[in-house]
Amino acid sequence: QKEVEQDPGPLSVPEGAIVSLNCTYSNSAFQYFMWYRQYSRKGPELLMYTYSSGNKEDGRFTAQVDKSSKYISLFIRDSQPSDSATYLCAMTPDTNAGKSTFGDGTTLTVKP
Amino acid sequence: TAGITQAPTSQILAAGRSMTLRCTQDMRHNAMYWYRQDLGLGLRLIHYSNTAGTTGKGEVPDGYSVSRANTDDFPLTLASAVPSQTSVYFCASSMGQGNTEAFFGQGTRLTVV
Repeated sequence: QKEVEQDPGPLSVPEGAIVSLNCTYSNSAFQYFMWYRQYSRKGPELLMYTYSSGNKEDGRFTAQVDKSSKYISLFIRDSQPSDSATYLCAMTPDTNAGKSTFGDGTTLTVKP
Repeated sequence: TAGITQAPTSQILAAGRSMTLRCTQDMRHNAMYWYRQDLGLGLRLIHYSNTAGTTGKGEVPDGYSVSRANTDDFPLTLASAVPSQTSVYFCASSMGQGNTEAFFGQGTRLTVV
């Protein structure tokens, strides 16, 4: 079983919808949780970063971490066609990007 | 700002041939990484370098080698390519210990036939 499992998708939603993207993990040592966004034929780019449990909001995006359940989520409010991309969760036990374990990604399409 | 530059963008390679994927960064980051991305398997770390002059093995290092002669360059070499090495390869860098963000290049699409 993989250390990080990500809802496979794909997801297709209408413009303006609220989107929920989710990952579960098994390694209780993970302390840092990231969400990367990857547009087609591009490299991933960091979207959100959270340390330990709690919520973090950045504009239309909210990252949520529940360490007790080993579950993280990314919520996108008022989704836009420009949000269409693959979203990758990643997590690491310490502040070393090279130790990140990535989910497989969820591909989101927001239809106008 | 260029960030991370990978070359070539794509390549078709005959099985058994060797190839070097190039990666250069201009951010003076200490750490650099090579990942491969495959459908259903996500991003998997091949090799990494925490600082110039050092390298280490990641999750899937077999069939690949790297070198880190200076801060900016981190080439990945396939000595004798096999079809299972068909993938999209991403080079990434980070400031190093104390920073969780990785900056990725645009990727190299490699097809081994």
